Amino acid sequence: DGGITQSPKYLFRKEGQNVTLSCEQNLNHDAMYWYRQDPGQGLRLIYYSQIVNDFQKGDIAEGYSVSREKKESFPLTVTSAQKNPTAFYLCASTLGEDRGTEAFFGQGTRLTVV
Amino acid sequence: GDSVTQMEGPVTLSEEAFLTINCTYTATGYPSLFWYVQYPGEGLQLLLKATKADDKGSNKGFEATYRKETTSFHLEKGSVQVSDSAVYFCALIQPATGNQFYFGTGTSLTVIP
Repeated sequence: DGGITQSPKYLFRKEGQNVTLSCEQNLNHDAMYWYRQDPGQGLRLIYYSQIVNDFQKGDIAEGYSVSREKKESFPLTVTSAQKNPTAFYLCASTLGEDRGTEAFFGQGTRLTVV
Repeated sequence: GDSVTQMEGPVTLSEEAFLTINCTYTATGYPSLFWYVQYPGEGLQLLLKATKADDKGSNKGFEATYRKETTSFHLEKGSVQVSDSAVYFCALIQPATGNQFYFGTGTSLTVIP
């Protein structure tokens, strides 16, 4: 079945460490997104990518980095520069420009700083 | 810029009650509108959508009508069930800006038996 897979489901990070969250899709979608969700709050856009080897900052990109070397994959690195990384992270994908349709979401990764 | 505003929660209803969650939007052109549902600890799932004015999206007893004159996309269900307890997000996609998504802040619904 086609879909988006995020891993791991739960991730624990020590202070000062970088961690990478995985997002893979087999929907042949061009566009992929990373959102952050804090308890009781909405979604905030971190980064998005419309095509391979290109990505743009969202509203809260500081302390995060991404890459888009393959169409299917859009990993997110939470760096030590992100001062408050504990949150629920959601990856999404869409068909892309000029083919507007709904976004498909992964099941999320819950990151906790210990 | 574009934005989505939805009613704040939390909302608590008794089983079989009528549900309305208000959603209004600000956008240029002709966005598509969506309602997503998020169950605890999970990602978002598409509940319904409407792609042009006066379209009605419907799924699992939920309905919403794309009203361009009032820039609204209110979610309704005639008789809620305990299993409908979740967080509901209104969203729009804006073709004019490369299909950028805009989400509301979410409305938490709890249905009690």
